[in-house]
Amino acid sequence: GAVVSQHPSWVICKSGTSVKIECRSLDFQATTMFWYRQFPKQSLMLMATSNEGSKATYEQGVEKDKFLINHASLTLSTLTVTSAHPEDSSFYICSARLYRVYEQYFGPGTRLTVT
Amino acid sequence: AQSVTQLGSHVSVSEGALVLLRCNYSSSVPPYLFWYVQYPNQGLQLLLKYTSAATLVKGINGFEAEFKKSETSFHLTKPSAHMSDAAEYFCAVSEDNDMRFGAGTRLTVKP
Repeated sequence: GAVVSQHPSWVICKSGTSVKIECRSLDFQATTMFWYRQFPKQSLMLMATSNEGSKATYEQGVEKDKFLINHASLTLSTLTVTSAHPEDSSFYICSARLYRVYEQYFGPGTRLTVT
Repeated sequence: AQSVTQLGSHVSVSEGALVLLRCNYSSSVPPYLFWYVQYPNQGLQLLLKYTSAATLVKGINGFEAEFKKSETSFHLTKPSAHMSDAAEYFCAVSEDNDMRFGAGTRLTVKP
């Protein structure tokens, strides 16, 4: 149980376009979902936390207008990278957790390459 | 705020040797601690977790970790390394709503 999926697993887009990444909890209802960013050979950096039905809480330094997060249901959160630039190229990982459970369940990640 | 420090960005061991990956934490409350493994271009896989029950935690693939409050440590060990253990390992701490990761330790296993 506790499976989280991400789609797509790999995406290439042109500079200036937008790309949407989906994160789904497949067999449980996730009250909270998290989005992380990981640069090569580095750790995961938390970008934002989203609770179902409310606005996401962004970490300091993360542009909320550039990284749009929607958590419309208990099983789906989306991250939209708007007006993407090459520096946005990275590995994006989502995770989900149950209410009052400290453990997070991680998705397989999405590799974004902006050309 | 909670944080974790992983000592050693790169650890190299021979196949069959002991694996020891170090993690120290900082937390204002009793923490929940985790070890994850990441293979290239993949997400995180949970190895084990400490949630204030037994201080010696056994995980998957023969890994275990011991929570030592006096040393604020949660080191990961495996008695005998296997080639398939070569990967990136992350220690993480969770309190309240979020989780913070260490910088990671890359484990290399030599034949």
